[in-house]
Amino acid sequence: DVKVTQSSRYLVKRTGEKVFLECVQDMDHENMFWYRQDPGLGLRLIYFSYDVKMKEKGDIPEGYSVSREKKERFSLILESASTNQTSMYLCASSTYSYEQYFGPGTRLTVT
Amino acid sequence: GEDVEQSLFLSVREGDSSVINCTYTDSSSTYLYWYKQEPGAGLQLLTYIFSNMDMKQDQRLTVLLNKKDKHLSLRIADTQTGDSAIYFCAESGAGGGNKLTFGTGTQLKVEL
Repeated sequence: DVKVTQSSRYLVKRTGEKVFLECVQDMDHENMFWYRQDPGLGLRLIYFSYDVKMKEKGDIPEGYSVSREKKERFSLILESASTNQTSMYLCASSTYSYEQYFGPGTRLTVT
Repeated sequence: GEDVEQSLFLSVREGDSSVINCTYTDSSSTYLYWYKQEPGAGLQLLTYIFSNMDMKQDQRLTVLLNKKDKHLSLRIADTQTGDSAIYFCAESGAGGGNKLTFGTGTQLKVEL
C-alpha cells in the first residue's frame, strides 16, 4: 500500500515564526503536492513538484515556499507565519496516473 | 482558470440513495474523480471516470457524466452511516494525475 506521511497531525505556532511541514511518500512517486483545505473553499493547490529540485506554483503560492531535495520528501515552508495561514494542510503524491494519494493532514494554528 | 463547484451539504436517511452533484468548467478534462474524506483523515479515491464515458458503476456507486453540460454526479445506493463524510469532485486536464482541480466538497450526513 502507498503510504504518505506528514510530520505532525497538529501544530501551533506564533505569528512571525518560520514553519516547516514535512511530507514523505514511500512509493517512488514522481509528483508531490501541497494543498490547503478550508471550509467552503475545498482544496487549493499551493505548490507541486514533478521531480527532485523541481517545483511549480499552484493557485495560492503567496507566503509559502517548498523544497524537494530527495524524491520521497517534499517540504512546505511558511517563512513568516500569519494568522490567515491557519488551516489544514494536505500533502499528496502520484505517478503519471490518475490517482493522487493523500497524507492524513496537518492542522496548523497560528496565534 | 478551471472551476469546480459543488453544493456544501446533503442530508439523507439511512437506506436511501444519495446523489452528490458537481459542475466543472474545463472542457479539456481528461479524467473526473470522486474522493472521500472521513473525519480527521486525508482524501481517498472512491472512483473515477474517463471523459469519453457516460456512466460507471462500482458496487453501490454510480457515476454519471454529462459532458455537454459539464455535470458530474455520484449516486450512492443504500446509504449507510459509514458513508457520512465529505465528498470532493476533482478534474484533471491532459496529463492525468499531474494536477487536479478540486471542488469545494459536499458534506454528506446520514441520519438514522
